[in-house]
Amino acid sequence: AQKITQTQPGMFVQEKEAVTLDCTYDTSDPSYGLFWYKQPSSGEMIFLIYQGSYDQQNATEGRYSLNFQKARKSANLVISASQLGDSAMYFCAMRVYGGATNKLIFGTGTLLAVQP
Amino acid sequence: DAGITQSPRHKVTETGTPVTLRCHQTENHRYMYWYRQDPGHGLRLIHYSYGVKDTDKGEVSDGYSVSRSKTEDFLLTLESATSSQTSVYFCAISESGGGDNEQFFGPGTRLTVL
Repeated sequence: AQKITQTQPGMFVQEKEAVTLDCTYDTSDPSYGLFWYKQPSSGEMIFLIYQGSYDQQNATEGRYSLNFQKARKSANLVISASQLGDSAMYFCAMRVYGGATNKLIFGTGTLLAVQP
Repeated sequence: DAGITQSPRHKVTETGTPVTLRCHQTENHRYMYWYRQDPGHGLRLIHYSYGVKDTDKGEVSDGYSVSRSKTEDFLLTLESATSSQTSVYFCAISESGGGDNEQFFGPGTRLTVL
């Protein structure tokens, strides 16, 4: 079964420190994609970063990087130099194929609180 | 920001009444999706559309129907709302059905069924 697991319901981090949010996935499809979205308290879903299963290098977008370990089926999000504005819910998602289009399967999310 | 709007943004209704949520996009994207978000479940796909009048079921489609008569509009209908359909509903769009095209999300609709 295709599944995304986020085992950390909530985390704290001090401002300016780095933090890693865990995500493991399960799929038998050799081609897949992994996404991270941020949901601040205002409710909108904001795309952060993408990693394809065939990408050789870990994806990076500014302060966000994705630690992709294919053999372990993990796709952890690393946020460097945390800021107060990073406080939000973070969702890991996996693109799966089937039907007429790709679909996203989401994890249950990790609530990150950045402390001053 | 992707041009996606949802209406209404908030709605309170009673059990057994029909409800229609609207998603409108100005990006001319082919693919549109409806998700619901519930605590402990993340986002779950209800229905999606891959073109005008082309729709298919997602993971949690029971009790919901959709229609897409124009590229820009994707409607989600609860034929007879139940309390279990109290949730936050998100619409999303994507330009492509595959590859690394991310889905862009609307602002969400908070629906309460009493």
